[in-house]
Amino acid sequence: DAGVTQSPTHLIKTRGQHVTLRCSPISGHKSVSWYQQVLGQGPQFIFQYYEKEERGRGNFPDRFSARQFPNYSSELNVNALLLGDSALYLCAVGSMNTEAFFGQGTRLTVV
Amino acid sequence: GIQVEQSPPDLILQEGANSTLRCNFSDSVNNLQWFHQNPWGQLINLFYIPSGTKQNGRLSATTVATERYSLLYISSSQTTDSGVYFCAVGFGNEKLTFGTGTRLTIIP
Repeated sequence: DAGVTQSPTHLIKTRGQHVTLRCSPISGHKSVSWYQQVLGQGPQFIFQYYEKEERGRGNFPDRFSARQFPNYSSELNVNALLLGDSALYLCAVGSMNTEAFFGQGTRLTVV
Repeated sequence: GIQVEQSPPDLILQEGANSTLRCNFSDSVNNLQWFHQNPWGQLINLFYIPSGTKQNGRLSATTVATERYSLLYISSSQTTDSGVYFCAVGFGNEKLTFGTGTRLTIIP
């Protein structure tokens, strides 16, 4: 059990469009993190939220934003999509300094 | 930030062989995990091992935190072991920094 579900699993968008990706942790997980994995590389940290507050932000442009809801689910939003935003987007849950568990990811293709 | 290097980048082995994957990191960590990424992109947890040694069936891992490296051992490889193996480390704020992975191919 991954501990987190992501939706949608696949998505195709056109350059310039906006996209929203969703992550739902299993009850009890208050921390959610987002990662981007482009082909051939390891995942790169985008955001971390804990108790609805942003706790960390990676080196990504302001076109990327996120939020966490009272039920601890989270959304990742990307504006003005570029071809280079095509990637697997992963959501992870875990507590401070303990094991992180990843969802199955959303594969975004920008055309 | 912390740098993570994995070696070798690619490994091709015959079924039944043993393998050792290495992860070097540049700074102190209190979180280290090994993952296996399946062809569909799912990161499967193998070990949470910031220090010490753990074993799970044919897999085992050792982290020597003072020397800043971790090893993942796979014995009696099976074709289902094929895929990309990632090491990820973190300290304090829970962000994980991933290595570039080792692509393992097991030939029947």
